[in-house]
Amino acid sequence: AQSVTQPDIHITVSEGASLELRCNYSYGATPYLFWYVQSPGQGLQLLLKYFSGDTLVQGIKGFEAEFKRSQSSFNLRKPSVHWSDAAEYFCAVGADDYKLSFGAGTTVTVRA
Amino acid sequence: DGGITQSPKYLFRKEGQNVTLSCEQNLNHDAMYWYRQDPGQGLRLIYYSQIVNDFQKGDIAEGYSVSREKKESFPLTVTSAQKNPTAFYLCASSTTKGRTGANVLTFGAGSRLTVL
Repeated sequence: AQSVTQPDIHITVSEGASLELRCNYSYGATPYLFWYVQSPGQGLQLLLKYFSGDTLVQGIKGFEAEFKRSQSSFNLRKPSVHWSDAAEYFCAVGADDYKLSFGAGTTVTVRA
Repeated sequence: DGGITQSPKYLFRKEGQNVTLSCEQNLNHDAMYWYRQDPGQGLRLIYYSQIVNDFQKGDIAEGYSVSREKKESFPLTVTSAQKNPTAFYLCASSTTKGRTGANVLTFGAGSRLTVL
């Protein structure tokens, strides 16, 4: 079965600074990888996904992520963070069934 | 606009009571899911359904029940057998076309259940 690890529980970043959120997965084949964002008390919204092809994928809100097979990673990045990026971010991996496995999430705080 | 509607947004329950959370979608998606979210644990799958009148247990189905009588609706009942039901519950849906693990989930806004 697939699994996901998000090593950072909480990250604080200054507005305008860059952001990188780490995600490591465990799966025997090429996985389907996702990043979702959740604002407080809300559902999750898809930021981006990777299925195949170019290992650098672009998403909404200026986010990008890079798939590195050798490191089993799918880290999320944003060059310049805005206060509205404060939220919880979830990495997820899909395999051969209908179930997505989610990481525990990383909470991002943006300071002025 | 198409989307998923969950109700109620907040729900309080006394111990020993069953409660039902509603989930309705107008996206014409075949698959629907229920997740439970607890702080620091991410999302855990309770039940999912790929087609009307069929559903499968997820990773933490004990103490929960579902039905899928209509394509648009996938209600979740939290029974008195669920020992620790206080949590945030998220409903989601997706298409079932193509590779199954690649289906993008669309989420509702969630329902927060508190047991008093």
